Amino acid sequence: DGGITQSPKYLFRKEGQNVTLSCEQNLNHDAMYWYRQDPGQGLRLIYYSQIVNDFQKGDIAEGYSVSREKKESFPLTVTSAQKNPTAFYLCASSPWDSKNEQFFGPGTRLTVL
Amino acid sequence: GQNIDQPTEMTATEGAIVQINCTYQTSGFNGLFWYQQHAGEAPTFLSYNVLDGLEEKGRFSSFLSRSKGYSYLLLKELQMKDSASYLCAVRDAGNTPLVFGKGTRLSVIA
Repeated sequence: DGGITQSPKYLFRKEGQNVTLSCEQNLNHDAMYWYRQDPGQGLRLIYYSQIVNDFQKGDIAEGYSVSREKKESFPLTVTSAQKNPTAFYLCASSPWDSKNEQFFGPGTRLTVL
Repeated sequence: GQNIDQPTEMTATEGAIVQINCTYQTSGFNGLFWYQQHAGEAPTFLSYNVLDGLEEKGRFSSFLSRSKGYSYLLLKELQMKDSASYLCAVRDAGNTPLVFGKGTRLSVIA
């Protein structure tokens, strides 16, 4: 079964701790993305990567970091510098074709206490 | 800058037709997507328009006018399970990430 997995579904952390969110895809997609969703805010782009070992900042990259060492994996680290990290985090991937439809993982809900 | 506008909330009756509008202002245009998202779940793809006109897929249709920066999603024969948020997203150029509107929360009532 091809798809995108994110783990865990729910994550709780204490304020001041870094936390890493996992995203894996077996769709052989070149591009991967991280979005954050808050109530009433829609999806906002944090980081994206179009190729292994390369990534670009999105609109709200401050306080986050990523890596893309393998095509299948694009982990997101929420650092203690992120002022308001509690949110729903969505990972997506897309193939390199004319349509570039983005496919989404199930999301991780992060709560910082 | 990039701006995508859609209504925040809509309510419609089971069995009826509802139209969700989306207007966009982007530096370029390379496709418009509609996604459906149930609360706490991932967005799922509904439709894609890159040329002007209407795309029909079962109970769902999507229309695009590039000159007006306007799209709509039409849902026919509404069912209770259609209660969800509907997200309009635009790609402004090449293979860049989608830019999303804030979504329209649709409530279907009996």
